Amino acid sequence: GAGVSQSPSNKVTEKGKDVELRCDPISGHTALYWYRQSLGQGLEFLIYFQGNSAPDKSGLPSDRFSAERTGGSVSTLTIQRTQQEDSAVYLCASSLFAGTDTQYFGPGTRLTVL
Amino acid sequence: AQSVTQPDIHITVSEGASLELRCNYSYGATPYLFWYVQSPGQGLQLLLKYFSGDTLVQGIKGFEAEFKRSQSSFNLRKPSVHWSDAAEYFCAFTSSTDSWGKLQFGAGTQVVVTP
Repeated sequence: GAGVSQSPSNKVTEKGKDVELRCDPISGHTALYWYRQSLGQGLEFLIYFQGNSAPDKSGLPSDRFSAERTGGSVSTLTIQRTQQEDSAVYLCASSLFAGTDTQYFGPGTRLTVL
Repeated sequence: AQSVTQPDIHITVSEGASLELRCNYSYGATPYLFWYVQSPGQGLQLLLKYFSGDTLVQGIKGFEAEFKRSQSSFNLRKPSVHWSDAAEYFCAFTSSTDSWGKLQFGAGTQVVVTP
């Protein structure tokens, strides 16, 4: 079956612009996670959803970052007023339920802020 | 603080040789531990996971890992490496007391396979 998909695969933007990153989880997966992978910080958790609710937003780096999930499916991560330090690969994962169920990762969106 | 540490940033191994990647964790109770692999340009793929029970865990692609509570370790092994095993490997951790399912990753170990 289809895996986790993310779009766009690459995004180049100018400093100060807003960007939206999209994640389509595996059908039927109730939990959805966003992570960020950067050279300086490694792989770090950003936020997760159980259904449409986000019980833990503690990993969002600043209030410029927000995420939503609608219909228990697609999720969008929005970064407002992008900064160069936001350049990273943003990874999305989904699992059947939150907890110890296997998380299946998408290929990521590479964001470059000029 | 709860964390996982991968002491080796980079390992070079000959094709056919054995491979062992180290992972140490810091947590008061029994952690839930994972090994993921990331090939160039690819997302993360789960190799294996440990929750409880048998301390030797078998995974995909011929990998296994052993949980040693006394050493706070969860090392990944493969008896004979193939060129296709060249990738970056991440140890990860979650716990039932933390945000449920939130993975905390080690810094990763880059594996290079030479002919």
